[in-house]
Amino acid sequence: GENVEQHPSTLSVQEGDSAVIKCTYSDSASNYFPWYKQELGKGPQLIIDIRSNVGEKKDQRIAVTLNKTAKHFSLHITETQPEDSAVYFCAAPSFGNEKLTFGTGTRLTIIP
Amino acid sequence: DVKVTQSSRYLVKRTGEKVFLECVQDMDHENMFWYRQDPGLGLRLIYFSYDVKMKEKGDIPEGYSVSREKKERFSLILESASTNQTSMYLCASRPMGGETQYFGPGTRLLVL
Repeated sequence: GENVEQHPSTLSVQEGDSAVIKCTYSDSASNYFPWYKQELGKGPQLIIDIRSNVGEKKDQRIAVTLNKTAKHFSLHITETQPEDSAVYFCAAPSFGNEKLTFGTGTRLTIIP
Repeated sequence: DVKVTQSSRYLVKRTGEKVFLECVQDMDHENMFWYRQDPGLGLRLIYFSYDVKMKEKGDIPEGYSVSREKKERFSLILESASTNQTSMYLCASRPMGGETQYFGPGTRLLVL
C-alpha cells in the first residue's frame, strides 16, 4: 500500500514569511495529491490539490509543487497570516483512488 | 454546503463498555469513512463504506466494527472499549467518483 511521510511535524514562522511543508510517497502509480487544513476544533478541510500531469498549482497565497521522479510534493504558503495557524495534512491515494493515505501532519504556528 | 455531523463532540466511557459513534451527512454521498487521529500518527483509516450495507476494512480495523443501514448514516462501534482506543475520531464522506473528502468536526473519546 501507499506510504506517505510528512516533514516537519511542527513549524513556526514569523507573520509575513513563507512556510514550506514536504511530503514523500511510495506508490509511483499515485496521481492525485491533496492537502487538508485542520483548524482548532474542526475537521480537516481540502485547501488545494494537484494531479500528476502538472508540476505546480497556485491558489492565491498557497501553492503546491510535485516532483514525480523523486516522488515528493510540497505545500508553499507565502505572506503567512495568523489565520494560517493550523495542522496541515498531505495525502496520496491508495487502493486505486478509493481511499487516501494521510501524512502525519504539520502543526504550523504563525508568530505575530 | 456539505454538512457532516457527528453525534458527540466529547465522550467519556469506561473500559469494557460498548460505544457507538454516529455520523450523518446530508449530501447523498455514497462513500463514508471513519478515521482516528492521534498525535504524531496523523489520520488512520479504520473502516470505509462504498454504499449502504457495504463496508471495507481500513488500515486499523481491529477492535472496531461499523454499520451502514442508511445512506446518510455511518456508525462506528467499539464492541468493548479499551484505554488504547482513547482518541479523536473523524468521520468523512465523499460522492462516488469524487476526490474531496468532507469531514465532520470529530468526537474526542476518552476511555477510562
